[in-house]
Amino acid sequence: DAGITQSPRHKVTETGTPVTLRCHQTENHRYMYWYRQDPGHGLRLIHYSYGVKDTDKGEVSDGYSVSRSKTEDFLLTLESATSSQTSVYFCAISDSGRSTQYFGPGTRLTVL
Amino acid sequence: EDQVTQSPEALRLQEGESSSLNCSYTVSGLRGLFWYRQDPGKGPEFLFTLYSAGEEKEKERLKATLTKKESFLHITAPKPEDSATYLCAVQAANFGNEKLTFGTGTRLTIIP
Repeated sequence: DAGITQSPRHKVTETGTPVTLRCHQTENHRYMYWYRQDPGHGLRLIHYSYGVKDTDKGEVSDGYSVSRSKTEDFLLTLESATSSQTSVYFCAISDSGRSTQYFGPGTRLTVL
Repeated sequence: EDQVTQSPEALRLQEGESSSLNCSYTVSGLRGLFWYRQDPGKGPEFLFTLYSAGEEKEKERLKATLTKKESFLHITAPKPEDSATYLCAVQAANFGNEKLTFGTGTRLTIIP
């Protein structure tokens, strides 16, 4: 497995609370991505980063923000969680924007 | 808009019974088509990248092929351990598009 860890692996929270998910990599890859996976939908890109402090939006970015202060860490924040954000969240990494993306183990988030 | 459609949604095979999974796509210039395997509760695991029509790649009992409109994942004499969901994704060729567009997957079950 590529050296990617996600924390927490499971989280249950209440509507309106802030939530931060962490992705940590040991591969020194430049690109990092956050996807969500829901039944009936393919994996969908939320945000991605192409370097420290360099981030951009994906196709489902509303309600999410990200930060990357170190090469190895990429944080996904839900400022005020909603039930529609109940999902499984995957982090991915790649050494360039045009190379294979490798995925982490995922975080299952439930918003009650 | 890039689109990926995978069929069938689910497939049950007897051990040793060969078959194929289909991935149809529309994309504004293909940079690459990716196949991943996903086990329950885990992140997608990279299998293959195909770049141009006519290309084929093999790994153990799996062979991926690519045409201008679709890709097939051929499974020869499958074993129970091949049971998983197989995901297909495309990346467009236009510069600055790092996004992968995923299909919803084919859930493959191999019966001993």
